[in-house]
Amino acid sequence: AQSVAQPEDQVNVAEGNPLTVKCTYSVSGNPYLFWYVQYPNRGLQFLLKYITGDNLVKGSYGFEAEFNKSQTSFHLKKPSALVSDSALYFCAVRGMNSGYSTLTFGKGTMLLVSP
Amino acid sequence: EAGVAQSPRYKIIEKRQSVAFWCNPISGHATLYWYQQILGQGPKLLIQFQNNGVVDDSQLPKDRFSAERLKGVDSTLKIQPAKLEDSAVYLCASSFREAEAFFGQGTRLTVV
Repeated sequence: AQSVAQPEDQVNVAEGNPLTVKCTYSVSGNPYLFWYVQYPNRGLQFLLKYITGDNLVKGSYGFEAEFNKSQTSFHLKKPSALVSDSALYFCAVRGMNSGYSTLTFGKGTMLLVSP
Repeated sequence: EAGVAQSPRYKIIEKRQSVAFWCNPISGHATLYWYQQILGQGPKLLIQFQNNGVVDDSQLPKDRFSAERLKGVDSTLKIQPAKLEDSAVYLCASSFREAEAFFGQGTRLTVV
């Protein structure tokens, strides 16, 4: 069965500093990997994805993520954090299961950016 | 492009009552998902449709939950009877094949 681990419940960073939110995954075959953000009382908003190609993918709002196959990781990064980046972040993996693909989420990491 | 529409946004019911949620996916998206998100946890897949057929309902509590997607477009998720532990946000999402899923704003259910 496929799974996603987000080892940190919360990440704290000062505005202007770089941020990293960690994600590791387990899946059969080649993974499709995603990051989503959730603001209070809202649904999940797609940030970026890795399907194939360059290991560094760029997404919305200046976020990027690095795919590392040997470490089965897909960490979310941003060079300079903003207070408005404070939100709940979810990593997700899509893998094949009996001929169809399913999308599995991690438990989420709360990002708090202080002024 | 219109997003995924869900209704209602909020619902409060007493335990043992029934409730239904509605979802209209993005046009052209064959895959539709219902997720349950309990406070402090990640979304858990309840059921996944491909067109109007179910491809995964392994985590759906079938004694009380049911879902349908007639005509392969919009979908309803029903809970009957509700339990206190069903209090959660119910998220509907849709996707085109193996691409990213797009989510609606969710329905926050409170069972008292």
